[in-house]
Amino acid sequence: SAVISQKPSRDICQRGTSLTIQCQVDSQVTMMFWYRQQPGQSLTLIATANQGSEATYESGFVIDKFPISRPNLTFSTLTVSNMSPEDSSIYLCSVHRGPTEAFFGQGTRLTVV
Amino acid sequence: SQQGEEDPQALSIQEGENATMNCSYKTSINNLQWYRQNSGRGLVHLILIRSNEREKHSGRLRVTLDTSKKSSSLLITASRAADTASYFCATGFQGAQKLVFGQGTRLTINP
Repeated sequence: SAVISQKPSRDICQRGTSLTIQCQVDSQVTMMFWYRQQPGQSLTLIATANQGSEATYESGFVIDKFPISRPNLTFSTLTVSNMSPEDSSIYLCSVHRGPTEAFFGQGTRLTVV
Repeated sequence: SQQGEEDPQALSIQEGENATMNCSYKTSINNLQWYRQNSGRGLVHLILIRSNEREKHSGRLRVTLDTSKKSSSLLITASRAADTASYFCATGFQGAQKLVFGQGTRLTINP
């Protein structure tokens, strides 16, 4: 298993501002994954973060809006930039153990007002 | 677009009854997994079934996979109030790390 510490657990932010979410893993991993879960919806992959290279973004997500850092093999951040109410979601980081079994942080519940 | 479609979207049953959730997907997969999410928190991995397997058990969980129909089902037997959660299927692909999640089923167990 993997222990993932994600923070903040929740935040209420003003539109136009930015929020950085942190994800710390208890052991080294090659890839870290960032997901968005809009209210009542499923998880959508935002990007995959590899240490030492730029993140790979999924269709519909861009680096200017969701910049990601991956300074080492146990840590990553996701920033939600220039927020609008449509960005209100749960944001989750994830790592894999074995082939594809995923472990998740507890999520960041973001409300933009 | 999302790979998996799940039904029902919501299910409410009495404690002690069995709960069955279904997942369909569109393309060939390497494996299919089921996850539980409590109250919008992080997901917890429940069980993984590989594409060459047809059925798998783990405690009160039973998962089936029909690759010809591109579908899977999750059965929870003897349900408990603590089983109240959202359940998601996720498909994994050969040579790829990322997972694609279904829409989820919200399960409510009534005492």
